[in-house]
Amino acid sequence: ELKVEQNPLFLSMQEGKNYTIYCNYSTTSDRLYWYRQDPGKSLESLFVLLSNGAVKQEGRLMASLDTKARLSTLHITAAVHDLSATYFCAVVVETSGSRLTFGEGTQLTVNP
Amino acid sequence: EPEVTQTPSHQVTQMGQEVILRCVPISNHLYFYWYRQILGQKVEFLVSFYNNEISEKSEIFDDQFSVERPDGSNFTLKIRSTKLEDSAMYFCASVYGYSGNTIYFGEGSWLTVV
Repeated sequence: ELKVEQNPLFLSMQEGKNYTIYCNYSTTSDRLYWYRQDPGKSLESLFVLLSNGAVKQEGRLMASLDTKARLSTLHITAAVHDLSATYFCAVVVETSGSRLTFGEGTQLTVNP
Repeated sequence: EPEVTQTPSHQVTQMGQEVILRCVPISNHLYFYWYRQILGQKVEFLVSFYNNEISEKSEIFDDQFSVERPDGSNFTLKIRSTKLEDSAMYFCASVYGYSGNTIYFGEGSWLTVV
């Protein structure tokens, strides 16, 4: 059974600081997604990572994928309050169909 | 930007009643999904739908649940004889083709079973 683990689960940081969220998964994956969720809201797609070594950046967020280590990271640079949200990684293993298997989520709070 | 739309946004129902949650996927998308998120927990896969039939379902998606695409645009999730533990946010999602494309989620339908 595919397991997806994120850490930390809770992250409180100050504005201007950098931090990394980690996403480990247990079997070889074809694709990895990062989503953002604000409280009571939907899932907003941030990144789709398809291959080993893939790196994507959007604003203060950068995601990378190491398929050999079965690890993805979401790096936050110079955090601002607007980044406060829950961040989920999700993995697809195509031999198991096209379902997304989500991690538990990382609840990020950026304090002024 | 195209979006997946869901109705209702919130529904309260009595235990044992049937509910139908509706979704309009993005118009040229081919794969459709239902996921659910119990309050404070992670998002869980329920079912995927392609070419007018279920392509995959999880252990959660038992005989209590059914999906259909009654016309060319709507995609529905029916929950029969609701239980308290069915209370959750239900998300519909769609994607054009699943090789690396963004999977878009709707705003969700909050279901509260009392």
